[in-house]
Amino acid sequence: DAGITQSPRHKVTETGTPVTLRCHQTENHRYMYWYRQDPGHGLRLIHYSYGVKDTDKGEVSDGYSVSRSKTEDFLLTLESATSSQTSVYFCATKGTGNTEAFFGQGTRLTVV
Amino acid sequence: AQTVTQSQPEMSVQEAETVTLSCTYDTSENNYYLFWYKQPPSRQMILVIRQEAYKQQNATENRFSVNFQKAAKSFSLKISDSQLGDTAMYFCAFMKLNSGAGSYQLTFGKGTKLSVIP
Repeated sequence: DAGITQSPRHKVTETGTPVTLRCHQTENHRYMYWYRQDPGHGLRLIHYSYGVKDTDKGEVSDGYSVSRSKTEDFLLTLESATSSQTSVYFCATKGTGNTEAFFGQGTRLTVV
Repeated sequence: AQTVTQSQPEMSVQEAETVTLSCTYDTSENNYYLFWYKQPPSRQMILVIRQEAYKQQNATENRFSVNFQKAAKSFSLKISDSQLGDTAMYFCAFMKLNSGAGSYQLTFGKGTKLSVIP
């Protein structure tokens, strides 16, 4: 299995507070992704990175920011959490030269 | 932008029987991959099978096979000899391979919940 670790695995936070989710990989993969999964919507791309300090928005990026200061870490920040951001968040990685994306175990975030 | 449509929110199949999950997609690209991912109750995303768009031969992986119809933009998954462990959400996904905006992003359908009945 690819070495992808998401932290925390579960979090409950209050509306209006900042939240940062971390994705750490040991595979030296170039590409990293943040998705959210909601019932009836599948997985939707929030942001992705194609290299250190190279990031771009996905289809549901409003209210989220990301940073990638080194290859192994991709951080997702909710600047001011809202109840609509209650979801399960998945990180994924993909190496150059292969097509398979590997996923972390997911983070369940609840905003109350 | 690419879109992926799975028109069957839920399906069920008897153990040992065969089931087919549907997926259609919309793209103007010629160079892409298609995937089926499985998500069991553990929530882990597991790659089941992949298909290269430029290959006419349908991909197979043991009990799993696809019917790839490029002109129709259809990519169905057939599971033969269904087992209880096949119970899961199944997601169809598309990946554009050309350089430029959106390359190497996975776009997912909404998923099909498959239940295998003993």
